[in-house]
Amino acid sequence: GENVEQHPSTLSVQEGDSAVIKCTYSDSASNYFPWYKQELGKRPQLIIDIRSNVGEKKDQRIAVTLNKTAKHFSLHITETQPEDSAVYFCAASIPALGRLYFGRGTQLTVWP
Amino acid sequence: EPEVTQTPSHQVTQMGQEVILRCVPISNHLYFYWYRQILGQKVEFLVSFYNNEISEKSEIFDDQFSVERPDGSNFTLKIRSTKLEDSAMYFCASRKDSQETQYFGPGTRLLVL
Repeated sequence: GENVEQHPSTLSVQEGDSAVIKCTYSDSASNYFPWYKQELGKRPQLIIDIRSNVGEKKDQRIAVTLNKTAKHFSLHITETQPEDSAVYFCAASIPALGRLYFGRGTQLTVWP
Repeated sequence: EPEVTQTPSHQVTQMGQEVILRCVPISNHLYFYWYRQILGQKVEFLVSFYNNEISEKSEIFDDQFSVERPDGSNFTLKIRSTKLEDSAMYFCASRKDSQETQYFGPGTRLLVL
């Protein structure tokens, strides 16, 4: 089955800096890649997603890039703010199955 | 905005006891999922449910686990005889038929003593 690896496990940045989180996947049949943000004690919230027919998607300060050939995708957060501090999970999904395969998560801390 | 809800938020039980975790998916969603997250580990898929039947289950979802949609709103996960290693956060999720986005509930933290 699919295996999703996520790096780094922890990331500390200064407010205003950029943060990049990287994920790789193993099954070339995966075609949907969401990113979830989970604040302490709260539910995972979808922040952005990308499908395999596009290479990049942007939503204000957040962007995701996908390299299908290399089977990796990345989350980019620019101009980070303390409220961006949370655990970020990447995931991959294979069509017709629907289940999400998650990475281990990245604890992002943004220092003021 | 509608949200997936889960009850209880926390559950403590003795090993060998049965537990039922409850979820109310978003009302017009047709696909339902259970995931779990053991402390410090990744979120793992347990089971998916569509059209009143299981559509897929993982190797974790053994005979001790079952799911049910007893009425038009609830979706439950039952663990028949809990083990220590069942201690985890259990998340319910749902999605529409026409979309891939899964919306997660707040989770139930299960502790088996």
